[in-house]
Amino acid sequence: DAKTTQPNSMESNEEEPVHLPCNHSTISGTDYIHWYRQLPSQGPEYVIHGLTSNVNNRMASLAIAEDRKSSTLILHRATLRDAAVYYCILSDNTGGFKTIFGAGTRLFVKA
Amino acid sequence: NAGVTQTPKFRILKIGQSMTLQCTQDMNHNYMYWYRQDPGMGLKLIYYSVGAGITDKGEVPNGYNVSRSTTEDFPLRLELAAPSQTSVYFCASRTGVSTDTQYFGPGTRLTVL
Repeated sequence: DAKTTQPNSMESNEEEPVHLPCNHSTISGTDYIHWYRQLPSQGPEYVIHGLTSNVNNRMASLAIAEDRKSSTLILHRATLRDAAVYYCILSDNTGGFKTIFGAGTRLFVKA
Repeated sequence: NAGVTQTPKFRILKIGQSMTLQCTQDMNHNYMYWYRQDPGMGLKLIYYSVGAGITDKGEVPNGYNVSRSTTEDFPLRLELAAPSQTSVYFCASRTGVSTDTQYFGPGTRLTVL
């Protein structure tokens, strides 16, 4: 299963943009890149996903490198509520859609 | 829709006891998953199912069993509880289309003493 690598933690100031990186050098051509986040004492929730092109939604933007070996989740204006663990995962579309979660990046947001 | 529901929310077991963690989804999703999350760690896949009657092992299946007799329900069974199974357990489901996402339940916090 293709794996991802993320920094253990990052810190941001409130109201500033945050760029959360993810490396996935062994990604296969059919793997989708998904981002989830986990707020304290809750289950993970979907943030955004993409295949090749950059994606935007109301929560965030996803920038995918041209070779697809890395991606960046962009929170345009961090709020205190965005403090969470962010997981970058690859969706195995070849059967079972097994998803392997790494340790994620813990984002700290300072007021 | 209630989404993915899990019961119980909390449970304390003694070593050697057995229990079943319940998971139900009302979204008619074919794919369902069980994860465990140890303190400060990411999620580990225990078992998953691609439809009623079909289950398969994930990363850490030892000590657990599952069954999938209906589309809605995916219970996780612990036969002989051990302290190493102290964790938070999350159930999730998805439709199975390549672009879809997983929906997670609120979790069950299990302590084995």
